[in-house]
Amino acid sequence: GAVVSQHPSRVICKSGTSVKIECRSLDFQATTMFWYRQFPKQSLMLMATSNEGSKATYEQGVEKDKFLINHASLTLSTLTVTSAHPEDSSFYICSARGGGGNEKLFFGSGTQLSVL
Amino acid sequence: AQSVTQPDIHITVSEGASLELRCNYSYGATPYLFWYVQSPGQGLQLLLKYFSGDTLVQGIKGFEAEFKRSQSSFNLRKPSVHWSDAAEYFCAVGYQKVTFGIGTKLQVIP
Repeated sequence: GAVVSQHPSRVICKSGTSVKIECRSLDFQATTMFWYRQFPKQSLMLMATSNEGSKATYEQGVEKDKFLINHASLTLSTLTVTSAHPEDSSFYICSARGGGGNEKLFFGSGTQLSVL
Repeated sequence: AQSVTQPDIHITVSEGASLELRCNYSYGATPYLFWYVQSPGQGLQLLLKYFSGDTLVQGIKGFEAEFKRSQSSFNLRKPSVHWSDAAEYFCAVGYQKVTFGIGTKLQVIP
Protein backbone atom coordinates (compact mmCIF):
# COMPACT_ATOMS: atom_id res chain seq x y z
CA GLY A 1 0.00 0.00 0.00
CA ALA A 2 0.92 3.63 -0.24
CA VAL A 3 3.22 5.15 2.33
CA VAL A 4 2.97 8.42 4.18
CA SER A 5 6.08 9.44 6.04
CA GLN A 6 5.82 11.79 9.00
CA HIS A 7 8.80 13.36 10.75
CA PRO A 8 9.88 13.74 13.43
CA SER A 9 8.22 10.93 15.35
CA ARG A 10 8.97 12.62 18.63
CA VAL A 11 10.05 16.14 19.53
CA ILE A 12 10.67 17.91 22.80
CA CYS A 13 10.98 21.67 22.78
CA LYS A 14 11.07 24.62 25.11
CA SER A 15 8.07 26.84 25.58
CA GLY A 16 8.08 29.73 23.12
CA THR A 17 9.90 27.95 20.33
CA SER A 18 8.42 26.81 17.03
CA VAL A 19 8.27 23.23 15.81
CA LYS A 20 7.83 22.01 12.25
CA ILE A 21 6.35 18.63 11.41
CA GLU A 22 6.63 17.19 7.92
CA CYS A 23 4.25 14.88 6.14
CA ARG A 24 5.32 13.28 2.87
CA SER A 25 3.51 10.99 0.49
CA LEU A 26 6.25 8.72 -0.79
CA ASP A 27 4.70 6.97 -3.76
CA PHE A 28 1.66 8.95 -4.78
CA GLN A 29 0.60 12.52 -5.30
CA ALA A 30 -1.44 13.82 -2.43
CA THR A 31 -3.86 16.45 -3.64
CA THR A 32 -5.25 16.80 -0.13
CA MET A 33 -3.63 16.40 3.25
CA PHE A 34 -5.23 16.45 6.65
CA TRP A 35 -3.78 17.26 10.05
CA TYR A 36 -5.21 15.72 13.19
CA ARG A 37 -4.52 16.17 16.86
CA GLN A 38 -5.01 13.48 19.43
CA PHE A 39 -5.09 14.05 23.17
CA PRO A 40 -4.29 11.16 25.51
CA LYS A 41 -7.06 8.57 25.58
CA GLN A 42 -9.14 10.56 23.13
CA SER A 43 -10.04 10.36 19.49
CA LEU A 44 -8.46 12.17 16.59
CA MET A 45 -9.71 15.68 16.02
CA LEU A 46 -9.37 17.18 12.58
CA MET A 47 -7.43 20.43 12.73
CA ALA A 48 -7.24 21.45 9.12
CA THR A 49 -7.46 20.35 5.52
CA SER A 50 -4.90 21.50 3.01
CA ASN A 51 -5.00 21.30 -0.75
CA GLU A 52 -1.83 21.65 -2.75
CA GLY A 53 -1.16 25.22 -3.74
CA SER A 54 -3.94 26.80 -1.73
CA LYS A 55 -4.54 27.96 1.81
CA ALA A 56 -5.51 25.44 4.42
CA THR A 57 -9.06 25.24 5.73
CA TYR A 58 -9.10 25.17 9.50
CA GLU A 59 -11.73 23.57 11.67
CA GLN A 60 -13.65 25.68 14.12
CA GLY A 61 -11.62 26.50 17.20
CA VAL A 62 -8.21 25.88 15.62
CA GLU A 63 -5.98 28.94 15.55
CA LYS A 64 -4.55 29.34 12.07
CA ASP A 65 -1.83 31.69 13.28
CA LYS A 66 -0.81 29.15 15.86
CA PHE A 67 -0.80 26.14 13.59
CA LEU A 68 0.69 27.12 10.25
CA ILE A 69 0.09 24.66 7.45
CA ASN A 70 1.91 24.70 4.15
CA HIS A 71 1.16 22.35 1.28
CA ALA A 72 3.63 23.57 -1.30
CA SER A 73 3.88 20.41 -3.37
CA LEU A 74 1.88 17.29 -4.15
CA THR A 75 4.09 15.23 -1.87
CA LEU A 76 4.76 17.48 1.10
CA SER A 77 2.74 19.27 3.73
CA THR A 78 4.14 20.86 6.87
CA LEU A 79 2.56 21.83 10.16
CA THR A 80 4.39 24.45 12.20
CA VAL A 81 3.38 24.95 15.80
CA THR A 82 4.41 28.52 16.50
CA SER A 83 5.42 29.78 19.93
CA ALA A 84 4.62 26.43 21.44
CA HIS A 85 3.26 26.18 24.95
CA PRO A 86 2.78 23.17 27.21
CA GLU A 87 -0.90 22.98 26.28
CA ASP A 88 0.18 22.31 22.70
CA SER A 89 1.72 19.04 23.80
CA SER A 90 -0.13 16.35 21.93
CA PHE A 91 0.09 13.64 19.30
CA TYR A 92 -0.21 15.05 15.80
CA ILE A 93 -1.06 12.82 12.83
CA CYS A 94 -1.21 13.68 9.17
CA SER A 95 -3.02 11.88 6.41
CA ALA A 96 -2.79 12.16 2.67
CA ARG A 97 -5.32 11.49 -0.02
CA GLY A 98 -4.54 10.69 -3.60
CA GLY A 99 -7.94 10.95 -5.19
CA GLY A 100 -11.17 12.89 -4.91
CA GLY A 101 -12.57 10.79 -2.10
CA ASN A 102 -11.24 8.66 0.68
CA GLU A 103 -10.65 5.59 -1.44
CA LYS A 104 -6.97 6.39 -1.18
CA LEU A 105 -6.47 7.83 2.27
CA PHE A 106 -3.30 6.99 4.17
CA PHE A 107 -2.01 8.05 7.56
CA GLY A 108 1.42 8.96 8.82
CA SER A 109 2.87 7.40 11.94
CA GLY A 110 2.35 10.51 14.04
CA THR A 111 4.47 13.00 15.97
CA GLN A 112 4.50 13.20 19.74
CA LEU A 113 5.14 16.81 20.70
CA SER A 114 6.15 17.63 24.25
CA VAL A 115 6.55 21.29 25.20
CA LEU A 116 8.43 21.94 28.40
CA ALA B 1 -23.40 16.32 10.32
CA GLN B 2 -21.62 13.02 10.28
CA SER B 3 -20.75 11.32 13.55
CA VAL B 4 -19.53 8.04 14.93
CA THR B 5 -20.39 6.38 18.22
CA GLN B 6 -18.30 3.66 19.76
CA PRO B 7 -20.24 2.72 22.89
CA ASP B 8 -17.53 0.60 24.46
CA ILE B 9 -14.53 2.58 25.64
CA HIS B 10 -12.71 -0.44 27.03
CA ILE B 11 -13.13 -4.16 26.34
CA THR B 12 -11.28 -7.11 27.83
CA VAL B 13 -11.31 -10.51 26.17
CA SER B 14 -9.41 -13.72 26.72
CA GLU B 15 -6.94 -14.84 24.12
CA GLY B 16 -8.66 -17.16 21.69
CA ALA B 17 -12.10 -15.77 22.39
CA SER B 18 -14.21 -14.04 19.78
CA LEU B 19 -14.41 -10.27 19.56
CA GLU B 20 -16.98 -7.76 18.44
CA LEU B 21 -16.42 -4.02 18.61
CA ARG B 22 -19.49 -1.90 18.08
CA CYS B 23 -19.76 1.14 15.87
CA ASN B 24 -22.80 3.23 14.98
CA TYR B 25 -22.67 6.12 12.56
CA SER B 26 -24.71 9.04 11.37
CA TYR B 27 -24.24 10.07 7.77
CA GLY B 28 -26.44 11.73 5.18
CA ALA B 29 -25.73 9.45 2.24
CA THR B 30 -24.18 6.07 1.57
CA PRO B 31 -21.34 6.10 4.04
CA TYR B 32 -17.67 5.46 3.57
CA LEU B 33 -16.78 3.47 6.68
CA PHE B 34 -13.42 2.54 8.11
CA TRP B 35 -11.85 0.67 10.98
CA TYR B 36 -8.36 1.65 12.07
CA VAL B 37 -6.08 0.22 14.73
CA GLN B 38 -3.56 2.21 16.73
CA SER B 39 -0.82 0.82 18.94
CA PRO B 40 0.53 3.07 21.73
CA GLY B 41 2.49 6.01 20.34
CA GLN B 42 1.89 4.91 16.78
CA GLY B 43 -0.08 6.15 13.82
CA LEU B 44 -3.14 4.53 12.37
CA GLN B 45 -3.26 1.32 10.40
CA LEU B 46 -6.25 0.63 8.20
CA LEU B 47 -7.91 -2.68 9.01
CA LEU B 48 -10.71 -2.52 6.48
CA LYS B 49 -13.10 -0.18 4.73
CA TYR B 50 -16.53 -0.23 3.16
CA PHE B 51 -17.58 1.90 0.23
CA SER B 52 -20.17 -0.19 -1.57
CA GLY B 53 -20.99 -3.73 -2.59
CA ASP B 54 -20.86 -6.72 -0.30
CA THR B 55 -21.84 -5.64 3.19
CA LEU B 56 -19.47 -8.11 4.82
CA VAL B 57 -15.97 -6.76 4.46
CA GLN B 58 -12.80 -8.72 5.04
CA GLY B 59 -9.75 -6.94 6.37
CA ILE B 60 -6.23 -7.62 7.46
CA LYS B 61 -5.19 -9.66 10.51
CA GLY B 62 -8.32 -11.79 10.34
CA PHE B 63 -10.76 -8.96 11.01
CA GLU B 64 -14.09 -8.48 9.30
CA ALA B 65 -16.90 -5.97 9.61
CA GLU B 66 -20.51 -5.97 8.54
CA PHE B 67 -22.34 -2.91 7.29
CA LYS B 68 -25.98 -2.86 8.37
CA ARG B 69 -27.76 0.12 6.93
CA SER B 70 -30.99 -0.51 8.86
CA GLN B 71 -29.06 -0.31 12.13
CA SER B 72 -26.54 2.33 11.03
CA SER B 73 -23.86 0.01 12.29
CA PHE B 74 -20.47 -1.21 11.16
CA ASN B 75 -19.32 -3.63 13.83
CA LEU B 76 -15.85 -5.14 13.76
CA ARG B 77 -15.38 -8.84 14.48
CA LYS B 78 -12.67 -11.39 14.86
CA PRO B 79 -13.35 -15.06 15.60
CA SER B 80 -10.24 -15.67 17.71
CA VAL B 81 -8.29 -12.88 19.35
CA HIS B 82 -4.50 -12.95 19.69
CA TRP B 83 -2.50 -11.16 22.36
CA SER B 84 -1.00 -8.95 19.66
CA ASP B 85 -4.46 -7.56 18.90
CA ALA B 86 -4.35 -5.49 22.09
CA ALA B 87 -4.58 -1.89 20.87
CA GLU B 88 -6.97 0.98 20.35
CA TYR B 89 -9.54 0.60 17.60
CA PHE B 90 -11.20 3.50 15.84
CA CYS B 91 -14.28 3.44 13.69
CA ALA B 92 -14.54 6.29 11.21
CA VAL B 93 -16.94 7.62 8.58
CA GLY B 94 -16.65 10.09 5.78
CA TYR B 95 -15.95 10.76 2.12
CA GLN B 96 -14.31 14.14 1.88
CA LYS B 97 -13.65 14.45 5.60
CA VAL B 98 -13.20 11.62 8.03
CA THR B 99 -14.81 11.70 11.46
CA PHE B 100 -13.50 9.32 14.06
CA GLY B 101 -15.19 7.66 16.98
CA ILE B 102 -13.70 8.00 20.43
CA GLY B 103 -12.06 4.61 20.15
CA THR B 104 -12.29 1.28 21.94
CA LYS B 105 -9.31 0.05 23.89
CA LEU B 106 -8.92 -3.69 23.63
CA GLN B 107 -7.15 -5.62 26.36
CA VAL B 108 -6.33 -9.28 25.80
CA ILE B 109 -5.75 -11.52 28.80
CA PRO B 110 -4.03 -14.91 28.67
